[in-house]
Amino acid sequence: GQNIDQPTEMTATEGAIVQINCTYQTSGFNGLFWYQQHAGEAPTFLSYNVLDGLEEKGRFSSFLSRSKGYSYLLLKELQMKDSASYLCAPLDSNYQLIWGAGTKLIIKP
Amino acid sequence: NAGVTQTPKFRVLKTGQSMTLLCAQDMNHEYMYWYRQDPGMGLRLIHYSVGEGTTAKGEVPDGYNVSRLKKQNFLLGLESAAPSQTSVYFCASTLKDAHNEQFFGPGTRLTVL
Repeated sequence: GQNIDQPTEMTATEGAIVQINCTYQTSGFNGLFWYQQHAGEAPTFLSYNVLDGLEEKGRFSSFLSRSKGYSYLLLKELQMKDSASYLCAPLDSNYQLIWGAGTKLIIKP
Repeated sequence: NAGVTQTPKFRVLKTGQSMTLLCAQDMNHEYMYWYRQDPGMGLRLIHYSVGEGTTAKGEVPDGYNVSRLKKQNFLLGLESAAPSQTSVYFCASTLKDAHNEQFFGPGTRLTVL
C-alpha cells in the first residue's frame, strides 16, 4: 500500500531552525511536494522536488532522497507566522498526489 | 485575478438532503480537483478532471458526483447527504498536469446532521 509518515506535531523556538521529516512508500514516484496550511485555511505550495538533493528557497529548503524514500523540509530563522501544518505529498506512478496527515508546527517566543 | 473560489463557505444539511458545491477558477487551468479533509487525516481525493467535459474518480468517490461543463467550473454534488460526509471540502486546480503546483480554494465547511 501507499504510506506517508511524518511527525504529528513539533515545537520550536522563534529564530531557530527546524527540520520536518517525511518518509514515503508509493507505487512509483514522480516527485514530492510540500505545502503549508495555516489553521482554518487552504494549503499553499512551498516546494517541489523531483531529483535528489536540496532545493533552497529563501528561509525554506526541501531535500529529497529517492532511494531512501525520504524528504525533509528545513525552516530557518523561524517566525511566529510559520506556525502551521506542513503537508508532505509524493506523486505516485498514476500522477496522483498522496497526502500525508501533516506536521503541526508550534512556534514559541 | 480571484484565483480559485468556492461557494458556499459553510453549510449545514440534514441527512438525506442534497446540495452542490461550486468551484470556479479564472487562471485558465486544465486540471481541477475536489478533496475532503478530516481531522488527523491527509487530504483525500474525491474526483478530478483533466479538462473540460472530463471527470474521473479519485480515492473516495462514493456518494459524490461531479461535472465539468465549462473549463473554469467544477461542481461537486451530494445526492443524499450522510453524517460521514461532514468534512471540509477543498477545490484545487493546476495549470497543465500533476507536476504543477495546486492552487486551492478557501474551502467549504459542511456539516451533515
